[in-house]
Amino acid sequence: QVQLVQSGAEVKKPGASVKVSCKTSGYTFTSHGISWVRQAPGQGLEWMGWISGFNGDTRYAQKFQDRVTLTTDTSTATVNMELRSLRSDDTAVYYCARDAFYIDYFGQGTLVTVSS
Amino acid sequence: DIVMTQSPDSLAVSLGERATINCKSSQSVLYSSNNKNYLAWYQQKAGQPPQLLIYWASTREFGVPDRFSGSGSGTDFTLTISSLQAEDVAVYYCQQYYSDFRTFGQGTKVEIK
Repeated sequence: QVQLVQSGAEVKKPGASVKVSCKTSGYTFTSHGISWVRQAPGQGLEWMGWISGFNGDTRYAQKFQDRVTLTTDTSTATVNMELRSLRSDDTAVYYCARDAFYIDYFGQGTLVTVSS
Repeated sequence: DIVMTQSPDSLAVSLGERATINCKSSQSVLYSSNNKNYLAWYQQKAGQPPQLLIYWASTREFGVPDRFSGSGSGTDFTLTISSLQAEDVAVYYCQQYYSDFRTFGQGTKVEIK
């Protein structure tokens, strides 16, 4: 079965960077992309970006263009999301999600807390 | 970016009654070459990741009860729960995947009256 397993919760100080990993299994990694979606406490879903599992091509939401980098490791079927220059309003649950056209599976989510 | 606007923001419906959620996109998400609407609906229960309900605007995901249905085309879409059950209490989101830059609606909270 399709599984996306994310790394554990993180606590970071303002200005720091965070890296969240998403290990996939149960499907052909190169046949689908992975999107990252975040959700601040009590708020809605916000799409951050997408990476192709086939060739590593990326798309980033303009809001995050300068601060986020998505990478893939095809040998381990893992996608990594790095967010830099963290601010308090980056505190959120971050989800990876399988995305080839529509998103059909989400990871369990990773809570990133930004606090001094 | 394509802006997705849902209405209402919340609604309370009696058990067994119909719930209707609307979603409007700022531009058409109908791809003319294949006549498909690039629109999905998700359900998110408290403390859980979202789950796919509907894709291509009206195709139910495997395992989704048939009381959930999607309709609409172009810029105007609807998610209908024909007979609300207690387990349907959740926030529902529409999302377009017409653009490489995906966008979600702001969400609609469904509660029991």
